[in-house]
Amino acid sequence: GESVGLHLPTLSVQEGDNSIINCAYSNSASDYFIWYKQESGKGPQFIIDIRSNMDKRQGQRVTVLLNKTVKHLSLQIAATQPGDSAVYFCAESTNSGYSTLTFGKGTMLLVSP
Amino acid sequence: SQTIHQWPATLVQPVGSPLSLECTVEGTSNPNLYWYRQAAGRGLQLLFYSVGIGQISSEVPQNLSASRPQDRQFILSSKKLLLSDSGFYLCAWSGVENEKLFFGSGTQLSVL
Repeated sequence: GESVGLHLPTLSVQEGDNSIINCAYSNSASDYFIWYKQESGKGPQFIIDIRSNMDKRQGQRVTVLLNKTVKHLSLQIAATQPGDSAVYFCAESTNSGYSTLTFGKGTMLLVSP
Repeated sequence: SQTIHQWPATLVQPVGSPLSLECTVEGTSNPNLYWYRQAAGRGLQLLFYSVGIGQISSEVPQNLSASRPQDRQFILSSKKLLLSDSGFYLCAWSGVENEKLFFGSGTQLSVL
């Protein structure tokens, strides 16, 4: 079936670097995308989302880019901090009366001081 | 503001014992409610969702069941736990016709 996947299972960066986490999706009907951050032993925390009518959206230190042509989503974290260390999940869905988010397996981000 | 409470945080249960995990949401009415399971090193698998009191939809056949006795209460149950039921269970809510999910803090269930 349709699925969301991630290119890199683990990403190691130095504090202060910019991080880029990538995600590929296969459902061309998906029109909503979201990134979550999950720290060990905790529930996923919403970071940023984007609809398919946009190709870029910025938040505080984070930017999500959407390339519908190649079905690719990325999360950019500026000036990465040790507190950013976590697993990051992308998810996609089609609009419906309830959440149909399909999650990828996640990418571990490790930030060294 | 809306908050979601999930308990207990950790649970160790013997095989064959019953299970009851509870989740409540505050600060919103008529939320959509969800139970997810997350196996170690893997993504989130949707188990159940509910769009209203007494309305439960199951996404995967399994040893678990869910109930929604009140608008903001969602319960995950099992009559007899299996070893394969071990995992991290997450409750979540979303607004009506809103895809964004807000997760609880999770329950780590170990079945021994």
